[in-house]
Amino acid sequence: DAMVIQNPRYQVTQFGKPVTLSCSQTLNHNVMYWYQQKSSQAPKLLFHYYDKDFNNEADTPDNFQSRRPNTSFCFLDIRSPGLGDAAMYLCATTLGGGSGANVLTFGAGSRLTVL
Amino acid sequence: QKEVEQDPGPLSVPEGAIVSLNCTYSNSAFQYFMWYRQYSRKGPELLMYTYSSGNKEDGRFTAQVDKSSKYISLFIRDSQPSDSATYLCAIPPNSGNTPLVFGKGTRLSVIA
Repeated sequence: DAMVIQNPRYQVTQFGKPVTLSCSQTLNHNVMYWYQQKSSQAPKLLFHYYDKDFNNEADTPDNFQSRRPNTSFCFLDIRSPGLGDAAMYLCATTLGGGSGANVLTFGAGSRLTVL
Repeated sequence: QKEVEQDPGPLSVPEGAIVSLNCTYSNSAFQYFMWYRQYSRKGPELLMYTYSSGNKEDGRFTAQVDKSSKYISLFIRDSQPSDSATYLCAIPPNSGNTPLVFGKGTRLSVIA
């Protein structure tokens, strides 16, 4: 089945040790998003790509970077994780373009623990 | 005022109850309204979406939009333990690629 796959599902890292989370999609969607979700909070958008066009939310910390080497893959790099970065990180995709509802397909998420 | 407000609960109901989940929003220009369901330790999945005002029904689920009061609701009839999840309302500020604005989500537990 076409889907959005995130790896790893669970990541434990030490304070300050860089982490990379990956997302792949077989939907051939143009738009990919990275959200951060903390307990009992709404998903918070970090970045999104429309094709290769990168869009950084104004309040996304510089500690977070993203790469999209091709249509299928997108990476989230956390350069120096702090305790406050412990969260679920969600990747989502949508076809993009045109009018109408912007329906997102989410991956299962990567849960990051920072020790 | 936040763009989308949702009571985070938690909400606990007995099996078979009718559940009402609600969100309010601030921008009268919003046209599409969505509900996502998120099971524990999983990503959100789209449950339903509606365009403009009115009702939309899908099995035991009914989505309702009242644009005059900027209020959206999700009703679950004959609730089941498998409905236990967090329900997030989501609204795209404009059509096309504009990222969704999510509510905080309401955590629902249906007790057998």
